[in-house]
Amino acid sequence: QKEVEQDPGPLSVPEGAIVSLNCTYSNSAFQYFMWYRQYSRKGPELLMYTYSSGNKEDGRFTAQVDKSSKYISLFIRDSQPSDSATYLCARSNTGNQFYFGTGTSLTVIP
Amino acid sequence: NAGVTQTPKFRILKIGQSMTLQCAQDMNHNYMYWYRQDPGMGLKLIYYSVGAGITDKGEVPNGYNVSRSTTEDFPLRLELAAPSQTSVYFCASRQPGAGGASPLHFGNGTRLTVT
Repeated sequence: QKEVEQDPGPLSVPEGAIVSLNCTYSNSAFQYFMWYRQYSRKGPELLMYTYSSGNKEDGRFTAQVDKSSKYISLFIRDSQPSDSATYLCARSNTGNQFYFGTGTSLTVIP
Repeated sequence: NAGVTQTPKFRILKIGQSMTLQCAQDMNHNYMYWYRQDPGMGLKLIYYSVGAGITDKGEVPNGYNVSRSTTEDFPLRLELAAPSQTSVYFCASRQPGAGGASPLHFGNGTRLTVT
């Protein structure tokens, strides 16, 4: 069983749509969670990170963590063509182990 | 603020050649990491360092070596390159906060092809 499972996509949506990206994880130890955006031929860029269950909002992006079901989500409101990228979820404890999903490719069509 | 800088951006090696991938960060982060990213496989940790003079193996260290003589630099050495080392290599850094947790900050990668 992988440490982090991520919907593989690809996902294609029209501009302005609400996008939902999802991951599940398998370990219940103390966690914090991250979402990265990766454009083609670039490195992963940190979007958001959170420690706790519930929602964390930053502009058009909302990260949601449900520790009881081991589920993490990223919502993108009013999606733009510039949001077209691969999105990686990740989790970690306070050590040096970071577990990444394999990424979901998103295309926002103008 | 440049963040994490990796050089070169691209490289083609012949089997058996060696090379060093360079990584430098200007954020004064103590912790640095090397990952490789293969299609459909996610990011795999090769080596990491928690400070100058301290390095440790990750999940896939075979065929690689690292050194950490300064806080800023963390080069990755490939000896006797093999086709299995064809990948995109990412360097990352972080500075643990209270409780030890903090996210990784990545460079833009080095694309390596071994033929």
